[in-house]
Amino acid sequence: KAGVTQTPRYLIKTRGQQVTLSCSPISGHRSVSWYQQTPGQGLQFLFEYFSETQRNKGNFPGRFSGRQFSNSRSEMNVSTLELGDSALYLCASSPSVIRLLPEQFFGPGTRLTVL
Amino acid sequence: EDQVTQSPEALRLQEGESSSLNCSYTVSGLRGLFWYRQDPGKGPEFLFTLYSAGEEKEKERLKATLTKKESFLHITAPKPEDSATYLCAVQPDKAAGNKLTFGGGTRVLVKP
Repeated sequence: KAGVTQTPRYLIKTRGQQVTLSCSPISGHRSVSWYQQTPGQGLQFLFEYFSETQRNKGNFPGRFSGRQFSNSRSEMNVSTLELGDSALYLCASSPSVIRLLPEQFFGPGTRLTVL
Repeated sequence: EDQVTQSPEALRLQEGESSSLNCSYTVSGLRGLFWYRQDPGKGPEFLFTLYSAGEEKEKERLKATLTKKESFLHITAPKPEDSATYLCAVQPDKAAGNKLTFGGGTRVLVKP
């Protein structure tokens, strides 16, 4: 069974630009969450999508947005990039909300560098 | 606000030298606590989910335990391939969906 895939794996942008990252969850998984990982702040929750609806959102500015498509694939967008947005962006998928507490499976991440 | 603190930040072990990692948490209500392992340049890899105080889970040389305020990850007779960052995360009782709050992690280095 294929794991979570994220594209691109590496990205270099300059301040002020915008960027779109993509995540394909494990087949059959309907929930997709996004996290930002930096050396200083660790792993921080950005948002979660389930059945094309944002179900939960972390404490990030409105420059960070996302969406989910009918096939459960998800994208996140960051507009007006700042130097502090340089981070590893991780996507995680989970199978269902019906289970007691579904495990989340992470992709390899997209390393974003803002110059 | 939910908070997760992991200690120590880093741990150097000789091969075969057992040790424990600590994860203390403050949440309004605990739905579950997760342990992940992360290798450099990769995403976190799921290890365990613990649901209630007193619960224990084992996988190879790893054993996770849970109390009402903290969790421990015991590494028994570690090998160099156990070198990684170990992350603890909680899902609060009242959280909508799958939001996880992570600790800062413990970097473990096992020397042969």
